[in-house]
Amino acid sequence: EVQLVESGGNLVQPGGSLRLSCAASGFTFSTYWMSWVRQAPGKGLEWVANIKQDGSEKRYVDSVKGRFTISRDNAENALYLQMNSLRVEDTAVYFCSRAGVRDSDFHHWGQGTLVTVSS
Amino acid sequence: DIQMTQSPSTLSASVGDRVTITCRASQSISSWLAWYQQKPGKAPKLLMYKASSLESGVPSRFSGSGSGTEFTLTISSLQPDDFATYYCQHYNSYPVTFGQGTKVEIK
Repeated sequence: EVQLVESGGNLVQPGGSLRLSCAASGFTFSTYWMSWVRQAPGKGLEWVANIKQDGSEKRYVDSVKGRFTISRDNAENALYLQMNSLRVEDTAVYFCSRAGVRDSDFHHWGQGTLVTVSS
Repeated sequence: DIQMTQSPSTLSASVGDRVTITCRASQSISSWLAWYQQKPGKAPKLLMYKASSLESGVPSRFSGSGSGTEFTLTISSLQPDDFATYYCQHYNSYPVTFGQGTKVEIK
């Protein structure tokens, strides 16, 4: 059974940093694109970033470019999101997701971790 | 960026009803469209991918159709477990984007 478990969400001040983690199990992690998708309170879904199987390609939504960095450790079956220069508008539940055959269809999701940016 | 527009935003229906949700893309996305179901406080769940492919384990009362810019998700006979919010999402190009959601409520 595919399992994705996020951690690292917290309350942080504007301008601060946070690192999210996603522990993956139940599938061959190194053979799938992985993504982060977020959902602000009471709002819809927004794709944030994704990363190729070997980490050689990374893509970001414009609003986080230069501030967020996605990475992965295939030996540890782990996905990460380093978030710097956080803004109030980054407040959201962040979901880790595994792709299907393509790079950005989200076949499996974690339960999410809440990031709150507030002073 | 490709904009995804769902209609209606809210839909009131009864158990047993046939329900259709529409998703329109601002430009052609071929068949690179997925549908998700989300219940309050839970992660989204994939229902359909590549417009009309049913994800494993999803009941056959769900079906998807369309290509290009217009797509539909149909629930043939609404069940109590189906009251939720539904999102479409294109994955034709970057950035991938979602529709604003359609909330299916009990009538």
